Order: sequence, then C-alpha cells, then structure tokens
Amino acid sequence: DGGITQSPKYLFRKEGQNVTLSCEQNLNHDAMYWYRQDPGQGLRLIYYSQIVNDFQKGDIAEGYSVSREKKESFPLTVTSAQKNPTAFYLCASSAGLETQYFGPGTRLLVL
Amino acid sequence: RKEVEQDPGPFNVPEGATVAFNCTYSNSASQSFFWYRQDCRKEPKLLMSVYSSGNEDGRFTAQLNRASQYISLLIRDSKLSDSATYLCVVNRVYGGATNKLIFGTGTLLAVQP
Repeated sequence: DGGITQSPKYLFRKEGQNVTLSCEQNLNHDAMYWYRQDPGQGLRLIYYSQIVNDFQKGDIAEGYSVSREKKESFPLTVTSAQKNPTAFYLCASSAGLETQYFGPGTRLLVL
Repeated sequence: RKEVEQDPGPFNVPEGATVAFNCTYSNSASQSFFWYRQDCRKEPKLLMSVYSSGNEDGRFTAQLNRASQYISLLIRDSKLSDSATYLCVVNRVYGGATNKLIFGTGTLLAVQP
C-alpha cells in the first residue's frame, strides 16, 4: 500500500532535549512538507523540500531543523530552541504541484 | 487579516439537513483551492478540489468566485459521518516548482441524530 507514515504517534520531550520526528513516504513524491497544528489555528508550514538534498524554511522554521538525504524520508528535529513545541505535527507529500497528502501525525508533548 | 478566513462554527445540524460553509481568501495570486476534511485528532484528508465552474461529488458541491475571492462548500442530506472539521485551503506557487498550502482554521460540523 502506498502512503505516508509518521512515527512515533506520541512523543514526550524533556526541557532542553532535541527530539526527531520521522516521516516516510512510498508514493514516489518529490516534494515533502512539515506542518504544525495548534488548537484554534490553521496548519502552519515549518519546512518543505522539493528534491533530495534541498529544503527551504516555511513560516515558522525557528527552533526546527530538517534533512532530506533520501527521497522517501524527511525527518524533523525539534530543538531545545523551540520554546513552545507542544503541538500536532503533520508531514505531507506531493508530486510537484499536485495535491498534498498527509501522514497520520505525531503529537509532541513537553514533560 | 488572515489569508484564509472561515467561520469556526460549530454548525449543529440534524441528519438530512443541508449545510453550507463559506471561506474567503485575501491573496488574488492564489491559484488552486480545496476543501479538506479533518476528523478529531486525525490528519486532514482531501475532500474535493474547487474549480471555477463549480463541481459536485455526490452530496458535496463546491463553488469558487474568483472576483469576490470566495469559496463555498454545500453538503446535502447530512449524515452523522459528516461530523468533522472542514478546512478551506488555498494553494499558491512559489518559485515555479513548489506549492504552498494556506489553511483556514476550519469549520466544525456536528450532525445530530
């Protein structure tokens, strides 16, 4: 089955800790995206990547980092510099300018 | 002003009712338009694209008015399973090869038995 997977489903972060969220797709999509969703707000773009070894900041990139070493994978690291990391994180992919499809998301909670 | 604005609701309607959601967008450079559905604590899923001529998919009808920068979604014969948050989404192209989705905050629909 083709699709986008994210892991873990829930993640707990301690103060000062970096954590990495996984996103994998087997749709052969070139573009991948990371969004953050907070209650009462629309999804906001953190980072996106059009091709392997290339990525750009979105609207709220501060405190986050990404890599795109493989077409299938686009991990997101939430660093200790992100002061309000509690949110629902969604990864998406698309074939160029086509529709974006989302993974099931990761809920990050701060201990 | 938000780039995409929706009435947050909630819209509480009885089964079988017809309900309409509206959405406005501020950037006239917007090129593509969508409605996504998001169930509680789940990811958004594409419901339908919105075309200038209007389009229908079963009980769902989407309309776009580019002059007024207005998008609508009509749901006829509401089912309990239609209960969800409906996200108005606008797509803008950056650099010729990247699309950026701008999301509204969503409209919550609760269909009552």
